[in-house]
Amino acid sequence: GESVGLHLPTLSVQEGDNSIINCAYSNSASDYFIWYKQESGKGPQFIIDIRSNMDKRQGQRVTVLLNKTVKHLSLQIAATQPGDSAVYFCAEIERDDKIIFGKGTRLHILP
Amino acid sequence: DTAVSQTPKYLVTQMGNDKSIKCEQNLGHDTMYWYKQDSKKFLKIMFSYNNKELIINETVPNRFSPKSPDKAHLNLHINSLELGDSAVYFCASSQSGRAHNEQFFGPGTRLTVL
Repeated sequence: GESVGLHLPTLSVQEGDNSIINCAYSNSASDYFIWYKQESGKGPQFIIDIRSNMDKRQGQRVTVLLNKTVKHLSLQIAATQPGDSAVYFCAEIERDDKIIFGKGTRLHILP
Repeated sequence: DTAVSQTPKYLVTQMGNDKSIKCEQNLGHDTMYWYKQDSKKFLKIMFSYNNKELIINETVPNRFSPKSPDKAHLNLHINSLELGDSAVYFCASSQSGRAHNEQFFGPGTRLTVL
């Protein structure tokens, strides 16, 4: 389930299940969105991106969905593995090329 | 080989001191960035340099001064350190100055100001 911890919302998922991480963005004029993964002690790492003229994009085991009507972005991870444990950030790129990161969600994999 | 490297990895210092963090990328990228990540994991861009020229300077105290001796290096100098400067600082690089381009992040420098 999903819970709000002291610092970050945490999503706990059983290994092998699918994970869905959600993000609400702020600027309806943003034209590009990115998901980053940050493992403990490391810098963020690009996972997948999507342009505002698309509503879905698939990568390897990951899918990003964009709902511009409600300014919502989601990251779906299929068959979650222990290596998927990390903090996931969405980022929006505004028209003036400014990048704004979301607050982050910690994904915790249960054995 | 590490694509984006930062030194030091950890930096503990007293309030009022001046310190520098170094960043180097060997990806041949034109653009480099500095980000600050606070204790709540909130990540915010501070500066961006494209071919040694400053292109983004967010609302950052002027105690922070980036210096780019060449396009492979972007160092961050901080004067008169304050408690609130404690954070993890990430350097990143990308092919060009557009934020749409994939950014490659360094491992971070954890700064603790006592």
